[in-house]
Amino acid sequence: EAAVTQSPRNKVTVTGGNVTLSCRQTNSHNYMYWYRQDTGHGLRLIHYSYGAGNLQIGDVPDGYKATRTTQEDFFLLLELASPSQTSLYFCASSPGTGNTEVFFGKGTRLTVV
Amino acid sequence: QQKVQQSPESLIVPEGAMTSLNCTFSDSASQYFAWYRQHSGKAPKALMSIFSNGEKEEGRFTIHLNKASLHFSLHIRDSQPSDSALYLCAVSQGGRALIFGTGTTVSVSP
Repeated sequence: EAAVTQSPRNKVTVTGGNVTLSCRQTNSHNYMYWYRQDTGHGLRLIHYSYGAGNLQIGDVPDGYKATRTTQEDFFLLLELASPSQTSLYFCASSPGTGNTEVFFGKGTRLTVV
Repeated sequence: QQKVQQSPESLIVPEGAMTSLNCTFSDSASQYFAWYRQHSGKAPKALMSIFSNGEKEEGRFTIHLNKASLHFSLHIRDSQPSDSALYLCAVSQGGRALIFGTGTTVSVSP
């Protein structure tokens, strides 16, 4: 089973604060993704990457930066957190994109107060 | 931008009945269609996928795809309480990342 590990699992921060969510995959997958999940919206794609140093813009990128430092590690950065970014964040990986199974981590619940 | 919508938002089905879920998409160039299931408090996990028009069956689960109608569906035969979950459809086009729908919450009552 593909392994995607997210940290932290829960995070509370204040409005205007800086937050970094971390994700590591040990599947040797090329693609990694960040999604956010909110009731009524399903899973929405924030950013994704097809390799170290690469970044692709998703559907809801505003307020988020991401960086893929290695094949294994993908980070999501919120530099000025706002309450609207309170959500459940999932990292995922896949061997290719568009036509292969995506494997998800267990999620990070972020609360911005 | 691809739009993926699901219906209904939620449903309750008796144990042993058929569960039917719908998904519509906006881009006729879409090439890959999948269903994911997410149990409460867990990560989404792939159920099954399809590339071409028609039907695909795996155990109690069947996908129907009609590209011309921009529609695909998931049917669960002999629904079990363990099938209670959030079901997410997903679509991709031209090698881009999967875009997920809004989700349908299914509750199977014993």
